[in-house]
Amino acid sequence: DAGITQSPRHKVTETGTPVTLRCHQTENHRYMYWYRQDPGHGLRLIHYSYGVKDTDKGEVSDGYSVSRSKTEDFLLTLESATSSQTSVYFCAISTAEETQYFGPGTRLLVL
Amino acid sequence: EDKVVQSPLSLVVHEGDTVTLNCSYEVTNFRSLLWYKQEKKAPTFLFMLTSSGIEKKSGRLSSILDKKELSSILNITATQTGDSAIYLCAVGGRRGTGANSKLTFGKGITLSVRP
Repeated sequence: DAGITQSPRHKVTETGTPVTLRCHQTENHRYMYWYRQDPGHGLRLIHYSYGVKDTDKGEVSDGYSVSRSKTEDFLLTLESATSSQTSVYFCAISTAEETQYFGPGTRLLVL
Repeated sequence: EDKVVQSPLSLVVHEGDTVTLNCSYEVTNFRSLLWYKQEKKAPTFLFMLTSSGIEKKSGRLSSILDKKELSSILNITATQTGDSAIYLCAVGGRRGTGANSKLTFGKGITLSVRP
């Protein structure tokens, strides 16, 4: 347990609505990541952060934005949710040794 | 583009069997290879490998990296039903200013251990 929580844990929303997922960590790690996991695709990086207000895109960033105004919180926003964004979303932190540890995940269903 | 391929994609064994899971990779500026176990929840960390030929061991699980062959194996001996899970391999390569290793994941290997 790397002190990572995600909220909400489950969400059902409708196409076109904005959605924000929150990742919170308690151990002051510099690096944080958002992944999505889908059958047949494994885990894919959406965005990551290497410090407060410092973020960059991953391989599947289209349709997503992130913000990090405090070390402990990393927010993922779907500006206008689509059915293709139905997925399980994992947040992760990276230790100084560069091992990544994952939060419990958020199941998102976009109808 | 970095690439991680795991094989087989799935396998079924009986309790007590020994299994070997494979991971091969193509990555720029290789830094590390990690193995995770995923049951019906978040991936949990098993091993991190950075040096070729040095085995890492934890109980019945062990893993080794071969940088010449760009591959790694994860061995599980005397399998138990509790070993049933998806095993993920990920490779880290440094990219970009301020960027710690970003991981590229394989699609995972689904292991089912039957009583």
